[in-house]
Amino acid sequence: QQQVKQSPQSLIVQKGGIPIINCAYENTAFDYFPWYQQFPGKGPALLIAIRPDVSEKKEGRFTISFNKSAKQFSLHIMDSQPGDSATYFCAATQISSGSARQLTFGSGTQLTVLP
Amino acid sequence: EAQVTQNPRYLITVTGKKLTVTCSQNMNHEYMSWYRQDPGLGLRQIYYSMNVEVTDKGDVPEGYKVSRKEKRNFPLILESPSPNQTSLYFCASRGQIYNEQFFGPGTRLTVL
Repeated sequence: QQQVKQSPQSLIVQKGGIPIINCAYENTAFDYFPWYQQFPGKGPALLIAIRPDVSEKKEGRFTISFNKSAKQFSLHIMDSQPGDSATYFCAATQISSGSARQLTFGSGTQLTVLP
Repeated sequence: EAQVTQNPRYLITVTGKKLTVTCSQNMNHEYMSWYRQDPGLGLRQIYYSMNVEVTDKGDVPEGYKVSRKEKRNFPLILESPSPNQTSLYFCASRGQIYNEQFFGPGTRLTVL
């Protein structure tokens, strides 16, 4: 059973557009929501993360919006550039339990930003 | 440079021939794990280890083994590979305090 559902599977935007990637989770115990960025031939790398005590977090052109009641969170990329073309994964975990804190990943979104 | 390394990066093998993919990290991280990445399925955890000599199954452990005899190394063993294990494999590590998980560059495995 997939605990983190991600959409869309692929996304194509023009340079300067604002791609939005959405994720929904089921486990209400999750309390840490990172996004990872993966370029071809590379491993995923942490891009930005949010805790559920805030509704939005910005780092440069990347913004996470978080809706705790709907159990949804999304990634927005402002003024997107061709260099942002990559696969993006949302993830969720529980960091407060003191247990293994495994990351549960979404299925990924392949973003293409056209010049 | 802080990093996770994997070897080999590419491997083509045949059904039933035992293989090992090595993973090493130089960040003194306690937590290490293995994932496989398949189109449309994202990253699925195979096994993880919270520290030396402590390992546990992830979401898709069937057909895989791991060991953690040293803190820095976490090899993935396929005793009898099958074609359905053809995939892209990633090793990752994370410290106890911070939540950022560092991934290796990946190993593309093809089982014929």
